[in-house]
Amino acid sequence: NAGVTQTPKFQVLKTGQSMTLQCAQDMNHNSMYWYRQDPGMGLRLIYYSASEGTTDKGEVPNGYNVSRLNKREFSLRLESAAPSQTSVYFCASTLQQGVGNTIYFGEGSWLTVV
Amino acid sequence: DQQVKQNSPSLSVQEGRISILNCDYTNSMFDYFLWYKKYPAEGPTFLISISSIKDKNEDGRFTVFLNKSAKHLSLHIVPSQPGDSAVYFCAASARGIQGGNNDMRFGAGTRLTVKP
Repeated sequence: NAGVTQTPKFQVLKTGQSMTLQCAQDMNHNSMYWYRQDPGMGLRLIYYSASEGTTDKGEVPNGYNVSRLNKREFSLRLESAAPSQTSVYFCASTLQQGVGNTIYFGEGSWLTVV
Repeated sequence: DQQVKQNSPSLSVQEGRISILNCDYTNSMFDYFLWYKKYPAEGPTFLISISSIKDKNEDGRFTVFLNKSAKHLSLHIVPSQPGDSAVYFCAASARGIQGGNNDMRFGAGTRLTVKP
């Protein structure tokens, strides 16, 4: 009963390094999301994919890129990591884009940029 | 701009008593509200929601109240149990806006501690 799985769970990067956060869901959901959570702030949407083959910017997209590899997988890439990107990242999915559909979250990925 | 605010970072209550978590929002376009619960090292999980056509929604020990004129909602947990100790996030979105969930805004969260 995996749900939404993200890897890695923990990562330390040096400033300027690149990395990709992987996310996969096994619920046959159409829409997938990447959020970040910072102290004193709620979850903020980075990018989303309403359906396979589409991606769009969310509230805080700068410094990130995404790929919707297939229906199951949605990856988040940091091309040149900055200390401001130190955060907890959550991948999420929902059956259909649209209000009222429950969003299911992964367990989070803790990223530190030094 | 934080459109959804949870002004209490933490709340501590005794087991068996009522827990009341509060949330305020500023965007009058929001018409669907949710509460998520988050344990340490886990992702948030959906708890309860309410549409703006209602002012109350109940699910077992959890009740959400919505006061549209005050742009305020609250989550009541009765009776509180130690297992309810977690961070609770309030979230809001607007059906009328294309995309729906991608315009969802979250509050910063309130850490609830229920003491045995």
